[in-house]
Amino acid sequence: AQSVTQPDIHITVSEGASLELRCNYSYGATPYLFWYVQSPGQGLQLLLKYFSGDTLVQGIKGFEAEFKRSQSSFNLRKPSVHWSDAAEYFCAVVQPNYGGATNKLIFGTGTLLAVQP
Amino acid sequence: DAGVIQSPRHEVTEMGQEVTLRCKPISGHNSLFWYRQTMMRGLELLIYFNNNVPIDDSGMPEDRFSAKMPNASFSTLKIQPSEPRDSAVYFCASSTGQGMVETQYFGPGTRLLVL
Repeated sequence: AQSVTQPDIHITVSEGASLELRCNYSYGATPYLFWYVQSPGQGLQLLLKYFSGDTLVQGIKGFEAEFKRSQSSFNLRKPSVHWSDAAEYFCAVVQPNYGGATNKLIFGTGTLLAVQP
Repeated sequence: DAGVIQSPRHEVTEMGQEVTLRCKPISGHNSLFWYRQTMMRGLELLIYFNNNVPIDDSGMPEDRFSAKMPNASFSTLKIQPSEPRDSAVYFCASSTGQGMVETQYFGPGTRLLVL
């Protein structure tokens, strides 16, 4: 079964520093990959997604992610973090729909980002 | 656009009581999803509707849970009877198209506490 791993439960960075959040998936073929952000007390918001093509994907709020097939990774990056980026970040994956089966959006366990002034 | 609307935002109830959570998807969206988020299990898909028809309910925990979508603008998730282990945040999300690859727009969630 496909799965998504976010190895870092909690990360603290200083405002203005760069950020990289890790995401690894386990599936033979290239799945569809997503990053969502959840601010405290709110629902999830899509930051970016990758289906195919250019492996570097630009998203909202200055975030980008790079798909690396050889590493089964889809890490999220931001060159300079703002205090408002403090939130929980979820990587998610859907495998391509083969054979008409319904496939689920599988979420990782999330990485909680704290931003120090 | 008002986004996905969920009510109530918070619900506290006693074990054994019936709980009904409500969701209004974004107008024009034809897929609707119910998720549950807990510390132990993370974010789990409970059920998925497309054009008001349940497509995948394999995530519904047990017979105590039921969901309906009587029309394109309204869905309910009911728990009867409720148990303390049902305490969680329940999210509704909607999207265009079908399947899971379209962007899902999440509501603010209903925080449920069963005593």
